[in-house]
Amino acid sequence: DAGVTQSPTHLIKTRGQQVTLRCSPKSGHDTVSWYQQALGQGPQFIFQYYEEEERQRGNFPDRFSGHQFPNYSSELNVNALLLGDSALYLCASSSGTDTGELFFGEGSRLTVL
Amino acid sequence: AQSVTQPDIHITVSEGASLELRCNYSYGATPYLFWYVQSPGQGLQLLLKYFSGDTLVQGIKGFEAEFKRSQSSFNLRKPSVHWSDAAEYFCAVVPGAQKLVFGQGTRLTINP
Repeated sequence: DAGVTQSPTHLIKTRGQQVTLRCSPKSGHDTVSWYQQALGQGPQFIFQYYEEEERQRGNFPDRFSGHQFPNYSSELNVNALLLGDSALYLCASSSGTDTGELFFGEGSRLTVL
Repeated sequence: AQSVTQPDIHITVSEGASLELRCNYSYGATPYLFWYVQSPGQGLQLLLKYFSGDTLVQGIKGFEAEFKRSQSSFNLRKPSVHWSDAAEYFCAVVPGAQKLVFGQGTRLTINP
């Protein structure tokens, strides 16, 4: 049973560019959440997708957008990259009926130069 | 707003010694509480969780945590640490709809 998989694992971008990160949830899960973890910090909630709709959103600007596909996989897009967007981006999956247990992928490390 | 505080940024213990990592939360009702562990360059692995019932919960890798409503705390403990326990530990609360609010984390170093 594959867990949560994310791609790419590492990437480097320059300021102003755009990036797309991808996530495949754990088998049987229908909800995908994205978190940003800056160096030395705890993860911060970006948004959550369920039934191809954004269900919740954290305190992140509109430059951060997402999408969920019919197979429950998800993408995180960040436009107009800033140096401060450098972080580990974590995807977590869960079942819509669960009480909150999330399963995390290993993350995508984004460096913005 | 819901929040989680982990007062200790960095803790060092000797291998074989006992461990307690502190976590305090701010939330209006009884929350769902979690402890996650993160090894360097890795994602987060769930150690244990508290939803309701017995306030002492057992997790993986020999960890346990105790929920104390009067102190708004959910401290993580282990009787005897192993070198492989060196990692970053995060306490988290779920205020609703599967959205986790994390503490800043406690980095655990093990001395041989």
